[in-house]
Amino acid sequence: NAGVTQTPKFRVLKTGQSMTLLCAQDMNHEYMYWYRQDPGMGLRLIHYSVGEGTTAKGEVPDGYNVSRLKKQNFLLGLESAAPSQTSVYFCAAWGLGETQYFGPGTRLLVL
Amino acid sequence: AQSVTQPDIHITVSEGASLELRCNYSYGATPYLFWYVQSPGQGLQLLLKYFSGDTLVQGIKGFEAEFKRSQSSFNLRKPSVHWSDAAEYFCAVGTTSGTYKYIFGTGTRLKVLA
Repeated sequence: NAGVTQTPKFRVLKTGQSMTLLCAQDMNHEYMYWYRQDPGMGLRLIHYSVGEGTTAKGEVPDGYNVSRLKKQNFLLGLESAAPSQTSVYFCAAWGLGETQYFGPGTRLLVL
Repeated sequence: AQSVTQPDIHITVSEGASLELRCNYSYGATPYLFWYVQSPGQGLQLLLKYFSGDTLVQGIKGFEAEFKRSQSSFNLRKPSVHWSDAAEYFCAVGTTSGTYKYIFGTGTRLKVLA
């Protein structure tokens, strides 16, 4: 039982490049979340999903897109990366009445 | 929309002293409430959670938290701090209907003096 996994663990991008971060969960949880963590800012919610085929904006959605085509996967896309998107990205899965489970994080550096 | 406030950015305590970290939330109903701890370069570890029932919640590592509905607070406490408790602590709120959002406070960094 792996819980929540994230791919890749680390990535360096040049400004303007695109990439997709993959989050996968094996707990059959309905709700999935993407956060970014920056020093002094805590974890800020980017986008989230309350079920397969649904997505919603969080606190800082600009510059990101997401998709939840399968219940177990939640993808975060950066269409044109900017240095301001340098951050650590965490994915999480949550079932109501349960604990939110986090992935190990993806460190992204945009040059 | 719900929000979470951790008013203390940094707290310094001496080893063996008691600790209280503050967390206030804004939400129209009773939310799910959580405290997490994060050591440098590490992921988040759940300390404790409140869903319903007894408002005093016991967690791991000797931590406890009390839900006070009238004050919209969920403060974290520990009677005697150990040097290994130095870390960053995050309060989180999960809404229980409708949007199912799950958001975090900005964190409190704890420093422990020997």
